[in-house]
Amino acid sequence: EAQVTQNPRYLITVTGKKLTVTCSQNMNHEYMSWYRQDPGLGLRQIYYSMNVEVTDKGDVPEGYKVSRKEKRNFPLILESPSPNQTSLYFCASSLVVDHSYEQYFGPGTRLTVT
Amino acid sequence: AQSVTQLDSHVSVSEGTPVLLRCNYSSSYSPSLFWYVQHPNKGLQLLLKYTSAATLVKGINGFEAEFKKSETSFHLTKPSAHMSDAAEYFCVVNGGSNYKLTFGKGTLLTVNP
Repeated sequence: EAQVTQNPRYLITVTGKKLTVTCSQNMNHEYMSWYRQDPGLGLRQIYYSMNVEVTDKGDVPEGYKVSRKEKRNFPLILESPSPNQTSLYFCASSLVVDHSYEQYFGPGTRLTVT
Repeated sequence: AQSVTQLDSHVSVSEGTPVLLRCNYSSSYSPSLFWYVQHPNKGLQLLLKYTSAATLVKGINGFEAEFKKSETSFHLTKPSAHMSDAAEYFCVVNGGSNYKLTFGKGTLLTVNP
């Protein structure tokens, strides 16, 4: 089954404790992206990756890191989480064809930083 | 630069009546435009997309949208609302060469019996 998986689905952590949210897709998609969703703000893009070893900042990259060492995986790293990073996070992937591509979303990771 | 404005944060309709969710965009390039739907406590699902082919785009579940370049709009419509349409809807633009996506803030659709 074609899908995007994220782990963990729920995470409660404390300020400053490094964490990683994993994202994996089995569709051989070039493009992967991370978003955060906050009430009243919609989804905001954190980072995206066009292919292996190619990443770029989205609209809200501060406080986050990503890497793309393999095509299928795109982990999101919070080196020193803060309460303002409490949010719902989505990973997505897609093919890239002439700027026309459908994003497949993971189920989301609800992160709480206390 | 690109941006998306969803003109209504909340739309309420009665079951069986038409749905109109409004979206305006700005883009320096010829854009690709998308509508996604998010049901409560669920992920996002693509409803439809415009990619410089036909300006009237048909999607799933009876939804359609019309790309109007002169008005920089991409409004989502459905002739007859169903209770299962109650969800949040997001308009999305990709208007540049860097594949960056910009989401609108969402429109919450309520369908009353």
